[in-house]
Amino acid sequence: AQSVTQLGSHVSVSEGALVLLRCNYSSSVPPYLFWYVQYPNQGLQLLLKYTTGATLVKGINGFEAEFKKSETSFHLTKPSAHMSDAAEYFCAVRAGGTSYGKLTFGQGTILTVHP
Amino acid sequence: DTEVTQTPKHLVMGMTNKKSLKCEQHMGHRAMYWYKQKAKKPPELMFVYSYEKLSINESVPSRFSPECPNSSLLNLHLHALQPEDSALYLCASSHGLRLAAVGGTQYFGPGTRLLVL
Repeated sequence: AQSVTQLGSHVSVSEGALVLLRCNYSSSVPPYLFWYVQYPNQGLQLLLKYTTGATLVKGINGFEAEFKKSETSFHLTKPSAHMSDAAEYFCAVRAGGTSYGKLTFGQGTILTVHP
Repeated sequence: DTEVTQTPKHLVMGMTNKKSLKCEQHMGHRAMYWYKQKAKKPPELMFVYSYEKLSINESVPSRFSPECPNSSLLNLHLHALQPEDSALYLCASSHGLRLAAVGGTQYFGPGTRLLVL
């Protein structure tokens, strides 16, 4: 079984500031980790994913995340926020390997970007 | 191309109506999923199809009936819904359920926003 905790249901930053969205997971097997973004009234768009290999993964729109096994974390960052980044962000985990793993989502973090 | 399409975008139906949601992908994916998302909540898994066969039903009420006519198409038939079924219904697809190399990454469609009156 696995679970995801996203710290902070709302995060507010100024345009140009660092974006940090926190995600901690628990998993009994090596996890696969994902960040999705959802703009208002739209579906989920994959930002980035970690499966195996390099622990720092880069995604679309300048976002990146680092898998830290010792901290069971997969925080999402972007050096400089843009107004277009305002959206809801979901961290998700599934069991790694070849067995089917249900995708478990965190509760989401709404990012607001101020001019 | 990682596009999953869903129709219609919006749907309003009465509790006695029968309607269907449609999802299509042309990425050669063999696993397809239906999720339900209530406002300000994460998506909740409803059904999983693998190679056109129903693999997982997350104890969804029978008023929701999924169908996978072929590898590209997934339908969700709706009958006698309740107002609490109003939500965004998301379809997703992935290469397969168990393909470790690609992590079973799921790609989502834009959703159908359903309102039950």
